[in-house]
Amino acid sequence: DSGVTQTPKHLITATGQRVTLRCSPRSGDLSVYWYQQSLDQGLQFLIQYYNGEERAKGNILERFSAQQFPDLHSELNLSSLELGDSALYFCASSKNPGQGYEQYFGPGTRLTVT
Amino acid sequence: QQQVKQSPQSLIVQKGGISIINCAYENTAFDYFPWYQQFPGKGPALLIAIRPDVSEKKEGRFTISFNKSAKQFSLHIMDSQPGDSATYFCAGSFQGAQKLVFGQGTRLTINP
Repeated sequence: DSGVTQTPKHLITATGQRVTLRCSPRSGDLSVYWYQQSLDQGLQFLIQYYNGEERAKGNILERFSAQQFPDLHSELNLSSLELGDSALYFCASSKNPGQGYEQYFGPGTRLTVT
Repeated sequence: QQQVKQSPQSLIVQKGGISIINCAYENTAFDYFPWYQQFPGKGPALLIAIRPDVSEKKEGRFTISFNKSAKQFSLHIMDSQPGDSATYFCAGSFQGAQKLVFGQGTRLTINP
């Protein structure tokens, strides 16, 4: 168990809808990262927050947004969902940006868009 | 330029054999090269990592070999066991950009 929790585990929704994925980092970790894992694209970095501030952005679509709250949990919002958004979404955390290579991943949220 | 290319996509090794997974990178700004292991239904977990100024790092049965001039690195799993069956990802890490760039993954199967 990595200590990172993600909810929900599974999510099934229709095209055009909006969903929110939630992540709680390990105790003491200030950085939260979001990744998308699909069969054809592999593990793709989406966005990183450090202590409430956005620190780095990857291949995140404009329809997607994220935030990190004062209690350090993070939410990833996906809107106007398309079939191609079906994937596993992972949250990871690390203690500080200087050790960004050492990330602890949660169990993921499997999103299915029908 | 930020890509990390990983091969093979899948690998089958007999129990007790050596598993070798290779990666190549282009961007010399990477400052760490970690390997992650992922079991079905789980998130990736850090296995071992190396800095670009080190040519080899060994932890138990797992060894990273790093060739800076060729921009290549590899993971060797000695005495491979069925419990090593998983998907392995190499990655490059940017301290400045604070993200991991992953290879496409290798599905390793160790036959008993």
